Amino acid sequence: DTAVSQTPKYLVTQMGNDKSIKCEQNLGHDTMYWYKQDSKKFLKIMFSYNNKELIINETVPNRFSPKSPDKAHLNLHINSLELGDSAVYFCASSSRRGPADPPMYTQYFGPGTRLTVL
Amino acid sequence: QKEVEQNSGPLSVPEGAIASLNCTYSDRVSQSFFWYRQYSGKSPELIMSIYSNGDKEDGRFTAQLNKASQYVSLLIRDSQPSDSATYLCAVTTTGNQFYFGTGTSLTVIP
Repeated sequence: DTAVSQTPKYLVTQMGNDKSIKCEQNLGHDTMYWYKQDSKKFLKIMFSYNNKELIINETVPNRFSPKSPDKAHLNLHINSLELGDSAVYFCASSSRRGPADPPMYTQYFGPGTRLTVL
Repeated sequence: QKEVEQNSGPLSVPEGAIASLNCTYSDRVSQSFFWYRQYSGKSPELIMSIYSNGDKEDGRFTAQLNKASQYVSLLIRDSQPSDSATYLCAVTTTGNQFYFGTGTSLTVIP
C-alpha cells in the first residue's frame, strides 16, 4: 500500500504555464508538507499544513500555493512557471507519536515529482 | 530557515569499515533529530530518529546526540555497497517543522 503518493511523477512544461501537483497520504497523519529539492540535493521546506494552520516559508514566491481539499490531500499549484522552478518536489506527511514531551514526530515522503520548465 | 550543516562529502569508505556522518545545528531549542537516506532518483527514507542525549542503536546504525555541543552523528558499521547514498540530517524545533541539512554523499567501495 502506498503511504504518500504524488502525481505526476514527471512534469515537463513551458515557461509561463500554470501547473499542479497532487499529493495524497493514507497514513492518517495530520500534517502535510511540500519540499523542493534542487540539483545540489538541498531539501528546502516550502509549506506545512494541518487542519489548523498553514505555515509558509517566507522565501517561497507567491506563485506557489498549496490547496488542501481535505486532511489526506495537499496539492501544489504553481502559476507562471519560471526556469528556476525546475527541481524535484516532494510531498511528505507527519504525525505526532504518543504524548511524549518534547513531542516526537515521524515524517514520510512521497516519491517526488520531477518538474522541468523549458 | 534554521541552519543544519553537514559535510557534503563525498565520503568514501571500504566495504566492512565504519562510516561516520556528522551534523551540527544552530537552534538550541531543537528537540528531535533524524537521519534520512536518499538513493539517487528516490525519495528520502527515514532510517534513524533520536530525541535524547546519548547513543541509539538500530542494527548496523548508531545515532549519537550531544545537545550541549549541538551535534548529531550517524555511524554505519560494517558498511555495505548498498549503503552508498546521500544521508540527510534533519531537526525539528517546536512543533513539526523539519529542517534539513545539505546531505553527505557516501560511497562504499567493494
